[in-house]
Amino acid sequence: DQQVKQNSPSLSVQEGRISILNCDYTNSMFDYFLWYKKYPAEGPTFLISISSIKDKNEDGRFTVFLNKSAKHLSLHIVPSQPGDSAVYFCAAENQGGKLIFGQGTELSVKP
Amino acid sequence: GAGVSQSPRYKVAKRGQDVALRCDPISGHVSLFWYQQALGQGPEFLTYFQNEAQLDKSGLPSDRFFAERPEGSVSTLKIQRTQQEDSAVYLCASSLRDWGGADTQYFGPGTRLTVL
Repeated sequence: DQQVKQNSPSLSVQEGRISILNCDYTNSMFDYFLWYKKYPAEGPTFLISISSIKDKNEDGRFTVFLNKSAKHLSLHIVPSQPGDSAVYFCAAENQGGKLIFGQGTELSVKP
Repeated sequence: GAGVSQSPRYKVAKRGQDVALRCDPISGHVSLFWYQQALGQGPEFLTYFQNEAQLDKSGLPSDRFFAERPEGSVSTLKIQRTQQEDSAVYLCASSLRDWGGADTQYFGPGTRLTVL
């Protein structure tokens, strides 16, 4: 039972364009969502988060959108840079504090 | 300040051996989490400590897995009689949180365990 799903295993984008990474969840009790970025042989690095009381949170080139009715969130990166190439995980925090992760989307930004 | 550190970074064990994986959380962080990440998958929760108390161990896959945090800082994840299916990256994360509210978990680099 996959409570958090990232249906696109990979995404390729041209440098300077927008990258949009998507994530769906099934549990309406989730109230805090996070995006992590992961390079090979490193641990996940926190990128941005959003509380369920908001529908948008922005930090520099990164914006996360939350659509609670659709149980969907997305991460927008504008403009995309080659250094953004990594695996991106979306995660939802359950009431006990543990994170439920999606399977990840590998983003490749081409120069 | 320093982030979460884990040691060893890589561990190769023969099937049946016991292993111990160490996590040093960010100083002052109350909560500590262990996750297991299989190849090509997202991390999966194993267990959670608040200070020295283990509040949730629902994700530990079997009684061969044991975790402790005796003084509320450093934590050790022990796997007894390792099996090939235990091969994975073991991630540790810490956060400031005590009770309630959302908080960000910060991850260490992980320990890659390979069981032959």
